[in-house]
Formats: sequence, C-alpha cells, structure tokens
Amino acid sequence: TQLLEQSPQFLSIQEGENLTVYCNSSSVFSSLQWYRQEPGEGPVLLVTVVTGGEVKKLKRLTFQFGDARKDSSLHITAAQPGDTGLYLCAGAWGSNYKLTFGKGTLLTVNP
Amino acid sequence: EAGVVQSPRYKIIEKKQPVAFWCNPISGHNTLYWYRQNLGQGPELLIRYENEEAVDDSQLPKDRFSAERLKGVDSTLKIQPAELGDSAVYLCASSLGRFGNNEQFFGPGTRLTVL
Repeated sequence: TQLLEQSPQFLSIQEGENLTVYCNSSSVFSSLQWYRQEPGEGPVLLVTVVTGGEVKKLKRLTFQFGDARKDSSLHITAAQPGDTGLYLCAGAWGSNYKLTFGKGTLLTVNP
Repeated sequence: EAGVVQSPRYKIIEKKQPVAFWCNPISGHNTLYWYRQNLGQGPELLIRYENEEAVDDSQLPKDRFSAERLKGVDSTLKIQPAELGDSAVYLCASSLGRFGNNEQFFGPGTRLTVL
C-alpha cells in the first residue's frame, strides 16, 4: 500500500494571509490530484498534475509538482473565508487506476 | 446536468441492524466508486465498478458489506449487520475513465451513525 502524507493537518489563518499545504510520498506518482471538500459535501477536483516540475494556477491557488514527482504543494495567496475547507491530495502510482487520498488539511480562514 | 446523487443523506441505526445506501452516477460515466470517509481522514476506496462488473473489491469487508450495480448504472451498498465502527460518511463517485488521472465526481455522501 502506498502512503501519502499531508501537512499540516490543521491550519487557521486570518483573511489576507498566504499559506502552503504539502503532500509527499516515498514513491513516484504517476499523477496527483488536489481536491477541496466543504462540510456535508463530497470532494471537488481542483487540479491534476502529471509532469515533474509542473506548475498550475487556478486564480489565487498555485499548484506545484516536484521535479521527482514525489511531492506537491498547494499555495493560496491572500486567503479568503470562502477558501475554508478540507484540502485533499490524491495520488496514483504506476499504471494503477486507484487513487489514494491523504488525510487532508483542514483550513479555516477567519474574517 | 445533475451530479452524482446519493440517498439517504443521513442514517442513524442501532448496531446489528442492516442499512443500504443508493447512488446514481453522472449519466455516461461507466466507472463507479464507493468510498468510506472516517472523521478526520481522507476517503478510502471500498469498491470500484466498470459498468456492472466489480473490478476491485479488495478493500470491501465482505463478511458484512455487499454492493451491486445492476444494469451498470445505479448502485447500492449494503451493510448487514452494522457495527459501531461502521459510523462514517459513505461517498459515491463516478468518472468517465478508470485511470488515476481521471476526474472523479463525488456525491454529497451518506452520513451513517451506528448507535
């Protein structure tokens, strides 16, 4: 079983601050996805990265995939209360279809 | 277009009782997944269907859990008998393709409480 670690587990910040969330594995990902989950809802896909060194931007969110494809980060600039939620990374290894989810980072952005 | 539909949204039962969850995936999505999400954890895959065939049920506790996907569309997940440790959110998801880089669309989940 592949393990995927996310950090930090909890993050509480003030509106306007920046933050970074990390996702790591000891094995090389074939692909990695970031999801956001709001209370009472299922996760919603934010981005998929497949190429080492890849950087993707989604408004104030910047996603990076490590050169070695073993780690990824999610950076939020000028966080807003609407960014509050559980951020999950999910990885696939080799030709496996199966996604393994991390435990998530619970982000709270206070007004 | 409707997303993944799940029912019920909430279920409270006593231990040893049976319970069933229903999922209707996005139209045209051949791949369907059932996940379990414990409090403070990410979703864990229970079973994956390709059309009506269960192609990966290695994480499904088969002594008490069963699932079916008749006609390759709707799916039901059943627990009989339920145990206290089964309390969790049960998520259904669907996707067009079966590989890990495909987007999975999740339903809102069924929150199960076993007393």
